[in-house]
Amino acid sequence: AQSVTQLGSHVSVSEGALVLLRCNYSSSVPPYLFWYVQYPNQGLQLLLKYTTGATLVKGINGFEAEFKKSETSFHLTKPSAHMSDAAEYFCAVSGQTGANNLFFGTGTRLTVIP
Amino acid sequence: NAGVTQTPKFQVLKTGQSMTLQCAQDMNHEYMSWYRQDPGMGLRLIHYSVGAGITDQGEVPNGYNVSRSTTEDFPLRLLSAAPSQTSVYFCASRNRGRLYGYTFGSGTRLTVV
Repeated sequence: AQSVTQLGSHVSVSEGALVLLRCNYSSSVPPYLFWYVQYPNQGLQLLLKYTTGATLVKGINGFEAEFKKSETSFHLTKPSAHMSDAAEYFCAVSGQTGANNLFFGTGTRLTVIP
Repeated sequence: NAGVTQTPKFQVLKTGQSMTLQCAQDMNHEYMSWYRQDPGMGLRLIHYSVGAGITDQGEVPNGYNVSRSTTEDFPLRLLSAAPSQTSVYFCASRNRGRLYGYTFGSGTRLTVV
């Protein structure tokens, strides 16, 4: 079984500051991990994913995440927040076999303060 | 544009009414799923399909039916709507062979009164 926990339902940062959104996962099998972003009244857009190989993955819009197996974490970061980053962010996990269904965290709403 | 198309975008139902949420994809994806999104709960899997003619239940299947007669279409049926089914519904699809993550539709916002 797979699950994710996102710490902090709301995060506020100043424009230009570091963005750090936390995600911890639980999986009985080697996981695939994802971050999705949802802008208001829109669907979900894939930011980045970890499947195998390099543990530091880079995504769109300057975001990156590091897979740390020892900490069961996959935190999302961006060095400098932009106003356009304001959105809701979802971490998700799936297994590597079978239906590979996605299981989502409860989401973190990011507010960027000018 | 290629992608996942959901209709309608908005719907208001009375308790006890039935309706079908439509989902179609033109990417020849084998896997399709339905999720519901509720505040503070993220997205929860309702039903999924790994190919035409094959469906299975997710985390919250009660009150919903699905079928998959073609690769392109994966409709979600509410047989007797309840206020607890007020939610935003997302359909998603992906390829089997390479796990690039799911492509999501833009959602259907359903209100049951």
